[in-house]
Amino acid sequence: DTAVSQTPKYLVTQMGNDKSIKCEQNLGHDTMYWYKQDSKKFLKIMFSYNNKELIINETVPNRFSPKSPDKAHLNLHINSLELGDSAVYFCASSQVSGNYGYTFGSGTRLTVV
Amino acid sequence: GDSVTQMEGPVTLSEEAFLTINCTYTATGYPSLFWYVQYPGEGLQLLLKATKADDKGSNKGFEATYRKETTSFHLEKGSVQVSDSAVYFCALSAGSARQLTFGSGTQLTVLP
Repeated sequence: DTAVSQTPKYLVTQMGNDKSIKCEQNLGHDTMYWYKQDSKKFLKIMFSYNNKELIINETVPNRFSPKSPDKAHLNLHINSLELGDSAVYFCASSQVSGNYGYTFGSGTRLTVV
Repeated sequence: GDSVTQMEGPVTLSEEAFLTINCTYTATGYPSLFWYVQYPGEGLQLLLKATKADDKGSNKGFEATYRKETTSFHLEKGSVQVSDSAVYFCALSAGSARQLTFGSGTQLTVLP
């Protein structure tokens, strides 16, 4: 299936831990994104990579670090997790030139306890 | 900067009722406009889009028309079903990076 897949789907961890979320797309898109959705469903962009190059880096704590080993993968590493990091994190991809909108992964629900 | 304003929810309707979810936007240049739908426990799915003024996007009985003069992209459906219960997001894409900016989402519940 052509899709954006992210793992894990659920992640429960203690404060202070370091965790990673992985994302892969097989759509041949050239741009990938990370969004954070809070408890009120509000979506905020965090990062965007175009062909492995960082093009959007919104104001997020330095504890969040994206890594794109190739244009089909964009991982999110979070250091020293805090309670406020609890949210659903969505990966997405798009073909910028085509302007066809984004394809989203199914989300990773992160719970920090 | 670019922004999208959606009508606040939640919206509760009976099956077969008419649906309107208002969406207005602020953007420089000529954005593309989208409606996304998020079913419970799932990611966002593209519902419909319009890339220029007066374009009408449609899918699954939903429609929205890109109105440049009123900077609006209201979502409508003539007869909603229980299966339409979801959160609906209006969004715009603009600029060289084509970053997608979302509205705050509108929770729709359709009762049988």
